[in-house]
Amino acid sequence: QVQLVQSGAEVKKPGASVKVSCKASGYTFTTYYIHWVRRAPGQGLEWMGVINPSGGDTSYAQRFQGRVTMTRDTSTSTVYMELSSLRCEDTAVYYCAKVGRSSSWYSAFDIWGQGTMVTVSP
Amino acid sequence: EIVLTQSPGTLSLSPGERATLSCRASQSLSSSYFGWYQQTPGQAPRLLIYGASSRATGIPDRFSGSGSGTDFTLTISRLEPEDFAVYFCHQYGSSPLTFGGGTKVEIK
Repeated sequence: QVQLVQSGAEVKKPGASVKVSCKASGYTFTTYYIHWVRRAPGQGLEWMGVINPSGGDTSYAQRFQGRVTMTRDTSTSTVYMELSSLRCEDTAVYYCAKVGRSSSWYSAFDIWGQGTMVTVSP
Repeated sequence: EIVLTQSPGTLSLSPGERATLSCRASQSLSSSYFGWYQQTPGQAPRLLIYGASSRATGIPDRFSGSGSGTDFTLTISRLEPEDFAVYFCHQYGSSPLTFGGGTKVEIK
């Protein structure tokens, strides 16, 4: 079945970086864009950016520009999200999500990863 | 940036009752790029509605979406125990993509 499986929980110090992986299976990896979304404790969902698994091109939310990098490895059908210069406010569950319509990132998110808890604490 | 405002923040209802959730956009958007998600504690969000009114695969027909322009509605015709959750609206037609703040549907 179609699924996205994310890497495990992380605990980081302020100023450090974290890299979360998202492994896709059950579909043609290069056909569907993958987005990253986070949810901080007690907050709503926040869009971080998107990657095209085919060409590797990306688009990031302005508030994360300069701190976030999304990459992909087509040989393992895995996308990665790296967030640098971590602050306590980055404590959140990070999700990857696949779009439902091929070849467009302007599409609803039909499959989500299980989430990765990232805790930033001194 | 399109701001999505959901109301109410919390909805207290009993199983079997009807739930009506609202989402208002700060500017008009195409209904083709509007959806709703459900999230229960410890789980990832689940797509319920896309294109404002189309149910996603496997979603029961007690869930329905409607609206256009700046005002959208999610209706749950008869609440089942598993429907008590947080619901988010989402616009995915304009960057940055944005979500509403959520409506919690709780058991009364």
